[in-house]
Amino acid sequence: DGGITQSPKYLFRKEGQNVTLSCEQNLNHDAMYWYRQDPGQGLRLIYYSQIVNDFQKGDIAEGYSVSREKKESFPLTVTSAQKNPTAFYLCASSIISGSSYNEQFFGPGTRLTVL
Amino acid sequence: GEDVEQSLFLSVREGDSSVINCTYTDSSSTYLYWYKQEPGAGLQLLTYIFSNMDMKQDQRLTVLLNKKDKHLSLRIADTQTGDSAIYFCAAMNYGGSQGNLIFGKGTKLSVKP
Repeated sequence: DGGITQSPKYLFRKEGQNVTLSCEQNLNHDAMYWYRQDPGQGLRLIYYSQIVNDFQKGDIAEGYSVSREKKESFPLTVTSAQKNPTAFYLCASSIISGSSYNEQFFGPGTRLTVL
Repeated sequence: GEDVEQSLFLSVREGDSSVINCTYTDSSSTYLYWYKQEPGAGLQLLTYIFSNMDMKQDQRLTVLLNKKDKHLSLRIADTQTGDSAIYFCAAMNYGGSQGNLIFGKGTKLSVKP
């Protein structure tokens, strides 16, 4: 089955620790995205990548880092510099087309709780 | 930049129609989307509309676009308890970052039996 997997579904970390969230897709999509979701806040873009070894900051990149060494994988590291890391994190992927609709396919999400 | 606004809550009775509204600010947005999120899950694309269309119908879903007022609505006919979820409106503008969707805060639809 083609899709996006995120692991783990629930993650607990102590304050001050870095933590890496996994995102893998087998849809052969060029673009991948990380969003943060807080209650009543909708989705906010953290980072996105349109090609391997390249990525751009979104609206709330501070305290986060990413890598894109393989087309299929786009891990997100939540660093200790992120002031309020407890949230639901969603990964998405899409084709890149300037002339047609650009559906983003979402993974099931990872709920990170920092204690 | 683009800003997308939605009301946060909507409650309807099973069998009634639900109408979820959305406004956006960037008139050059080319595609507008409705996503559904069930509790604890990711987002699922329900439908989308291209900016040169006024209406799109897909089974129980009807999307209306008023481009002059920058107003988008999603109508769900014969709403069922399984439709209870958060519905996100999103806009894409190809003049900006490629593939950068701007989401509203989501409307939580509660369906009472």
